[in-house]
Amino acid sequence: AQKITQTQPGMFVQEKEAVTLDCTYDTSDPSYGLFWYKQPSSGEMIFLIYQGSYDQQNATEGRYSLNFQKARKSANLVISASQLGDSAMYFCAMREGENNDMRFGAGTRLTVKP
Amino acid sequence: DTEVTQTPKHLVMGMTNKKSLKCEQHMGHRAMYWYKQKAKKPPELMFVYSYEKLSINESVPSRFSPECPNSSLLNLHLHALQPEDSALYLCASSHPGQGTSGRVPADTQYFGPGTRLTVL
Repeated sequence: AQKITQTQPGMFVQEKEAVTLDCTYDTSDPSYGLFWYKQPSSGEMIFLIYQGSYDQQNATEGRYSLNFQKARKSANLVISASQLGDSAMYFCAMREGENNDMRFGAGTRLTVKP
Repeated sequence: DTEVTQTPKHLVMGMTNKKSLKCEQHMGHRAMYWYKQKAKKPPELMFVYSYEKLSINESVPSRFSPECPNSSLLNLHLHALQPEDSALYLCASSHPGQGTSGRVPADTQYFGPGTRLTVL
């Protein structure tokens, strides 16, 4: 069963505006981690931000922040002040328990318009 | 610049060829991963090595053979591949085990630039 769901295949945002990319997850393990990665057309996966299941505060990293709603099992990525270079695929991923494996959602293609 | 390198960047091979993909990291990580990514799809985990031992094999066909000669190197040996094996192959590394809370947990995976493989 799909454990990570990204329902937005594509999103458009105007340059300098904020955008929210959705991610919901499903797990029965109380200990898990949620990661967001950016993949430009070059192919490399770039780590952006992390949220642990026991973290009390929403994670922030520069222009990236996570809207973590544990009861709803959602971990949406918010990108503020979008830049043209933010155009890329964005993947949400989850690591459960002590496993070393990480499962990815289907991804969202973000296009920033000038 | 990424601290995980992969060679070659591009590879074209016939179905009867034998080739190898190489991955190297100098981050002191003891877990290394191979992922396969088809176009417009998310990466799919193939293999995980932890402390140079194969810990996860996601039922990958035997025409893919991983090797971890030391803690910095990871190879993927390819033999008798099919055209449907054409994909982007990504290598990643991390500290093994569960990360702690915080901005960047120890088990965060860092990826190389990938090898684009075409099987004719």
